[in-house]
Amino acid sequence: AQSVTQLGSHVSVSEGALVLLRCNYSSSVPPYLFWYVQYPNQGLQLLLKYTTGATLVKGINGFEAEFKKSETSFHLTKPSAHMSDAAEYFCAGGLSGNTPLVFGKGTRLSVIA
Amino acid sequence: DAMVIQNPRYQVTQFGKPVTLSCSQTLNHNVMYWYQQKSSQAPKLLFHYYDKDFNNEADTPDNFQSRRPNTSFCFLDIRSPGLGDAAMYLCATSRERGRNQPQHFGDGTRLSIL
Repeated sequence: AQSVTQLGSHVSVSEGALVLLRCNYSSSVPPYLFWYVQYPNQGLQLLLKYTTGATLVKGINGFEAEFKKSETSFHLTKPSAHMSDAAEYFCAGGLSGNTPLVFGKGTRLSVIA
Repeated sequence: DAMVIQNPRYQVTQFGKPVTLSCSQTLNHNVMYWYQQKSSQAPKLLFHYYDKDFNNEADTPDNFQSRRPNTSFCFLDIRSPGLGDAAMYLCATSRERGRNQPQHFGDGTRLSIL
């Protein structure tokens, strides 16, 4: 079955520490993968996307993600967390034909001063 | 800036009283989506329009309907809201249908049921 799995519903890091949010996918075809961020009482904002080409994708706000086919992963990282990064993060995949995006369950990121 | 606009941001209705949520877009995208999002959960797709072609998700209750009178506007109608329908409703668009298409979201309408 086509799916996107986010490991860890809640991640807490100290300000200035590395942020690592995990995403794995299951797809029978080459996937297209996206990371979205959602701040309280707002919609989802696209952080970055992997379509084809370079496997290391840079996004907004200093985030990047690396597509690893061998690990079926698309983890999101940021070298140094900022208080303003505290939000909900969703990984999503275009996994099959013309079907809409499949979303992971989300990971809430807390940043501790 | 081109964008997806949802009105109102907050809506309160009574149990069983029909309610309509609206979405407009200036992106001129062909596809419009409606999602329901409950607290601390992922968005759940209710249905989407590809141009005028309506696509309902299999598990979307009959209580939920949608209209797209033109490219720019899309409406979500809840015919008889129940307490379980209290949620954030998100509208999104994409240029085309297809798994490489990113979606662009509005800020949502938070629906409360009294």
